[in-house]
Order: sequence, then structure tokens, then C-alpha cells
Amino acid sequence: GQQVMQIPQYQHVQEGEDFTTYCNSSTTLSNIQWYKQRPGGHPVFLIQLVKSGEVKKQKRLTFQFGEAKKNSSLHITATQTTDVGTYFCAGRRAAGNKLTFGGGTRVLVKP
Amino acid sequence: GAGVSQSPSNKVTEKGKDVELRCDPISGHTALYWYRQSLGQGLEFLIYFQGNSAPDKSGLPSDRFSAERTGGSVSTLTIQRTQQEDSAVYLCASSLGRDRGFSYEQYFGPGTRLTVT
Repeated sequence: GQQVMQIPQYQHVQEGEDFTTYCNSSTTLSNIQWYKQRPGGHPVFLIQLVKSGEVKKQKRLTFQFGEAKKNSSLHITATQTTDVGTYFCAGRRAAGNKLTFGGGTRVLVKP
Repeated sequence: GAGVSQSPSNKVTEKGKDVELRCDPISGHTALYWYRQSLGQGLEFLIYFQGNSAPDKSGLPSDRFSAERTGGSVSTLTIQRTQQEDSAVYLCASSLGRDRGFSYEQYFGPGTRLTVT
């Protein structure tokens, strides 16, 4: 079946630094979504990417969909303590209905 | 408007008992997902309902787990003969489904924290 992998599993970041987390699918995706789950909360939708090579920005967050539509990345610049949480990607196969979530990247920010 | 609601918010049960967890999705949402999340872990897919189609039950960990969605709205996840390893947060999410290459975002409920003693 379809597998979605995220790396790294954990990311310790110094406040103010940049980092990138990656999402890789075993199959070509129709689209990919990113969610953020704050500690103690539930996942909240951030963004969706649909087109090959698409890049979208939300303030300090930059999301990219790979040319082959099998991978995606989330880059955060000037990390803040409010960025703490787990970031999940979720992809849907071209011929599928279901979104499959990756295992998440847990981000901890050191002040 | 109202979001996804789940009840109860917390459930403590004894090993071997059956439990029912309820999810009220956003009105009009045709897709409904159940996930399980253990402490500090990712989202484990359990089951997916889409409109009137047969549900995708491929994530249910054993035959002790079942779910139904009545009238295309409320869903109930039932765990029979609970075991300690069933302890986790059970999350429900709903969405408008998909449209060709586009998938509508999932809205998550607050979850039910299940503790099996």
C-alpha cells in the first residue's frame, strides 16, 4: 500500500534558526497537505499543494511539492517558540480517495 | 459554525469492557476518518467513510474494532473487549471529500482519550 515517510522524526532547533522537514511518498501523489498539531491539541490544516513543483509561502513557512509529485518539504525560517509542535504531511494517490498521513516531525525550539 | 465534536472527551474503562466513541462531523461533510494517536506518536489510520461507498476498514487493528456511520452523519467507533494497548487518543476528522486532483482539508475533532485499566 501507499507509504508516506517524514524525516526527521524529531527536530531540535535553536530559536532564530532555519530548518527543513521532508515528506516522501512511495507512490505519485495527486496532492499533498500539511497539518500542524500543537502539544495537547489536534491537527490543524496548514496548506495544500496540487501542482508539480508548486511552492507556497505562509509568512515564515515555505512549502514545496516535488517535480515528480512524490515528495514535499516544509522550510521554516527564523524559528520561533510558537513553531513548536508536530508537523504532518498527508498525501492522496492519483487513483485513490484516502489521505495517508506521514509519521510527523516533532519540532522543539530552544530559546 | 460548529466544528467536529467527539464524545466523551475522556473515557476510563476496565480491561475486557466494550466502549463506544462518538463523532459528530461538520454538517455536509461526506468524508469521515477515524485515527488513533498514542502519546507522542503519529496518526494511525483506522477507518474511512466516503459518502455511500463501502468504508475503507484497512486500518482497523483487529476484529475487536468496528465503526459505523449512520445516515451519512454521526459515526460510532466501537472497541470490544478492550485491552490496555488500546489506550490512546482517538481522533475523528471530516471533510468535503475530494474533487478530481484536489482533496478538501480535514477538520479534526478534539479527540477522545481512552484509558484502559
